[in-house]
Amino acid sequence: DTEVTQTPKHLVMGMTNKKSLKCEQHMGHRAMYWYKQKAKKPPELMFVYSYEKLSINESVPSRFSPECPNSSLLNLHLHALQPEDSALYLCASSQDSTGDTEAFFGQGTRLTVV
Amino acid sequence: DAKTTQPNSMESNEEEPVHLPCNHSTISGTDYIHWYRQLPSQGPEYVIHGLTSNVNNRMASLAIAEDRKSSTLILHRATLRDAAVYYCILRGFYSGGGADGLTFGKGTHLIIQP
Repeated sequence: DTEVTQTPKHLVMGMTNKKSLKCEQHMGHRAMYWYKQKAKKPPELMFVYSYEKLSINESVPSRFSPECPNSSLLNLHLHALQPEDSALYLCASSQDSTGDTEAFFGQGTRLTVV
Repeated sequence: DAKTTQPNSMESNEEEPVHLPCNHSTISGTDYIHWYRQLPSQGPEYVIHGLTSNVNNRMASLAIAEDRKSSTLILHRATLRDAAVYYCILRGFYSGGGADGLTFGKGTHLIIQP
C-alpha cells in the first residue's frame, strides 16, 4: 500500500466554522507534511512532522492548527479562516525527512471558504 | 535552502525523448536532487532522485553533472500522459532527528504535442 489518503476531497466552510482535514498513511513513514497550493502556483510547505513531533512550522497563521495523533495520522484543524485561505491542501509522507527518501502525496482536499 | 532554476515551459512531440534541465549552482555536498511531477488536478508524484551518480528507474533517467551544479531529467519516450509540471527540488540531509520539507520552485510546464 503506497497511498496517502486525504479526506474529505472537497470542503466548503464558512468563516466562523471549525473543520478538520485528515490524512492517513500505512507505509510506516515517520515524516508527514502539510502543503497549501493555490491555483497555478507550486505547493507551499506549511508544516513538517518528524516522529510525531512538529519539526517545521513555516510561519503559518494560528487559524491552521496541525496535529499528529499517531504515526499514521495527520490532521489539520481549521478555525476562523478567510476567503484567501481557499486552496488545495496536500498531505505527504516519507520514510523519514532526510534527503535520500522520496515523498508520497495525497490527492488533496480542495477547500473553499465562503 | 539551495534554490533551483528551471525553464518555465517546454514543448515536445509524442514518442520523442524529452530533456528537462535544472540548474542548482548553490547545491551543497549533502543535497539530494529530487524530481517530482504534478499532473492536472492531482497531487505531486515522485519521479526520481540522486546524489552524484546518474540514476535510472522505470519512469525516467536522471543525469547529474560532474560538478553537481546542474541536472537533467530524461523521459525516454514521451506520451501525452507525461504532460505535467515537473519540479526539480534539492533536499538536504539532516542527522540527529532533524527534518526537511520539500520546497517547490515554479517548475517546468511540459507540453506534449500528439
